Amino acid sequence: DAGVTQSPTHLIKTRGQQVTLRCSPKSGHDTVSWYQQALGQGPQFIFQYYEEEERQRGNFPDRFSGHQFPNYSSELNVNALLLGDSALYLCASSSYRGMNTEAFFGQGTRLTVV
Amino acid sequence: AQSVTQLDSQVPVFEEAPVELRCNYSSSVSVYLFWYVQYPNQGLQLLLKYLSGSTLVKGINGFEAEFNKSQTSFHLRKPSVHISDTAEYFCAVILPRGAGSYQLTFGKGTKLSVIP
Repeated sequence: DAGVTQSPTHLIKTRGQQVTLRCSPKSGHDTVSWYQQALGQGPQFIFQYYEEEERQRGNFPDRFSGHQFPNYSSELNVNALLLGDSALYLCASSSYRGMNTEAFFGQGTRLTVV
Repeated sequence: AQSVTQLDSQVPVFEEAPVELRCNYSSSVSVYLFWYVQYPNQGLQLLLKYLSGSTLVKGINGFEAEFNKSQTSFHLRKPSVHISDTAEYFCAVILPRGAGSYQLTFGKGTKLSVIP
């Protein structure tokens, strides 16, 4: 079992550009959540996907959008990048039927906006 | 809305000494509680969780935590730390609204440094 895999591991983008981050959940999991972890901070919830729909959303602007595919994998898209979007982006997978009480995290994508 | 406060941003401790990392939460309803560990340049790994039942929860790597409802605390302890425990530790809560409602709220983290 490969666990939760994220790609790419590192990314450098210029202000104003768009970026797509990818996540494959742990085998048997059907729910994917995305978190942003700024330097020196705890992770902040962005949104959660289940059955290809956004189920919950944190306090993030519409520049942040996502998608879930039929195989449960997910993408996080960020448009019009700002310097403040530089952070570690973490994907977590869980089981809807398991009440989502145990999330498994990927190693994250380190995004640097210059 | 729920919130989590980790009272210490950094905790240095000598190898083989005991350690306690403190966590308090605020919520108007019952919550589920978690501790995660993050090693440098890695994602988060679940150490332990409290959903219900016994207030003393044992986790991996010799860690344990005690849920105290009256003090709204969930402190993490280890009787004897090892160099390999050097990492950042995050306390988190979720509201058990039902399946599909899974939004972890994290504290700001505590950096544990184990001194040889």
